[in-house]
Amino acid sequence: GENVEQHPSTLSVQEGDSAVIKCTYSDSASNYFPWYKQELGKGPQLIIDIRSNVGEKKDQRIAVTLNKTAKHFSLHITETQPEDSAVYFCAAYYDYKLSFGAGTTVTVRA
Amino acid sequence: GAVVSQHPSWVICKSGTSVKIECRSLDFQATTMFWYRQFPKQSLMLMATSNEGSKATYEQGVEKDKFLINHASLTLSTLTVTSAHPEDSSFYICSAKTRTYEQYFGPGTRLTVT
Repeated sequence: GENVEQHPSTLSVQEGDSAVIKCTYSDSASNYFPWYKQELGKGPQLIIDIRSNVGEKKDQRIAVTLNKTAKHFSLHITETQPEDSAVYFCAAYYDYKLSFGAGTTVTVRA
Repeated sequence: GAVVSQHPSWVICKSGTSVKIECRSLDFQATTMFWYRQFPKQSLMLMATSNEGSKATYEQGVEKDKFLINHASLTLSTLTVTSAHPEDSSFYICSAKTRTYEQYFGPGTRLTVT
């Protein structure tokens, strides 16, 4: 099956700085890569996604890049704010389901 | 984004009883819904995939007789935890998939078995 690795496991940034989370996947047949934000006690929220025929996608302060050759994709958050503090999960769609990374706990220091 | 609701948001039950959790896609039709379990500080663990009108597909290691899943319509799936035990205490989350891959999650149900 698909194996998704996510780094780092924790990330602390100063408010206003950028945050980058990286994920790798194992199966080249994966074709859809969403990112989720999960706040404590809540369900994951889809924040951005990218399909295999696209290299980069941006939505305001959030961007995702995909390198199919290297089988890795990254989430970039610019101008971080305290409300960006949460756990972020990357995922890869393969065999009709999502495989998730282990998660990154992002803390934005005021 | 699309909205998925889950009910109840939390439940406490006695050991040996059964608990039903409902998952609804409020503004789209979901041919496929998923049920996950999440332990503290861990990732999402897929329990089963539910397709409307057919039997659920369970992941390896998940007891299908203990975790009954029914996907009765394009907007409703239910998970019943039968004969619950304290080790079943967890955070259960459902999700619904659109026809174009996007998967939206419900707010989760915190189950505590005493």
